[in-house]
Amino acid sequence: QSALTQPASVSGSPGQSITISCTGTSSDVGGYNYVSWYQQHPGKVPKLMIYEVSNRPSGVSNRFSGSKSGNTASLTISGLQTEDEADYYCSSYRSSTTLHYVFGTGTKVTVL
Amino acid sequence: EVQLLESGGALVQPGGSLRLSCAASGFTFNTAAMKWVRQAPGKGLQWVSAISGSGETTDYADSVKGRFTVSRDNSKNTLYLQMNSLRTEDTALYYCAKDGAGWRIDYWGQGALVTVSS
Repeated sequence: QSALTQPASVSGSPGQSITISCTGTSSDVGGYNYVSWYQQHPGKVPKLMIYEVSNRPSGVSNRFSGSKSGNTASLTISGLQTEDEADYYCSSYRSSTTLHYVFGTGTKVTVL
Repeated sequence: EVQLLESGGALVQPGGSLRLSCAASGFTFNTAAMKWVRQAPGKGLQWVSAISGSGETTDYADSVKGRFTVSRDNSKNTLYLQMNSLRTEDTALYYCAKDGAGWRIDYWGQGALVTVSS
């Protein structure tokens, strides 16, 4: 059960915008609008940031936005802040495996 | 307030068994699908298992199928993960997680550490 592909690291300066990609297939990211994004600070529990491609849970900053094109989903963080430095994971429903969920490989965001 | 509290993590030898528990509160447990997600030290997140609200439907990752069993006791608001034939590669922090709509996780427990080593 292969993971979704994310860049290992992305960096940016405070105030800049960065985008993290999440590439899958037509059996997961491309076939369904069930992509979620999670933020995880070191030693902490993951936190839901985006669900169903582009929806933000209550309490999540509007600096975080999600989108999808074909088999690739993206998370954009605008107005980058030091507290955004964390690991980010995408996740998607997948139709072709016994376990219908798959995570991305994870991206370390560094604020320079 | 939703709370998920895992217990049962321990150091176990390869080939051994362990049962994790997750006590849930703050929501209607018997209607909520639940998952176990694990994270090996310094690694990413990995889906392990899932179970429907009634307990009738279960799912497993290929890497644990046949060795792990997920179950729930809705009368006790508790989720379980029975882990048999443990391997060193099963060493990880195991999170209990509550499903939200749209195949997302809206709540996570703090995790239970399982270490498989001789």
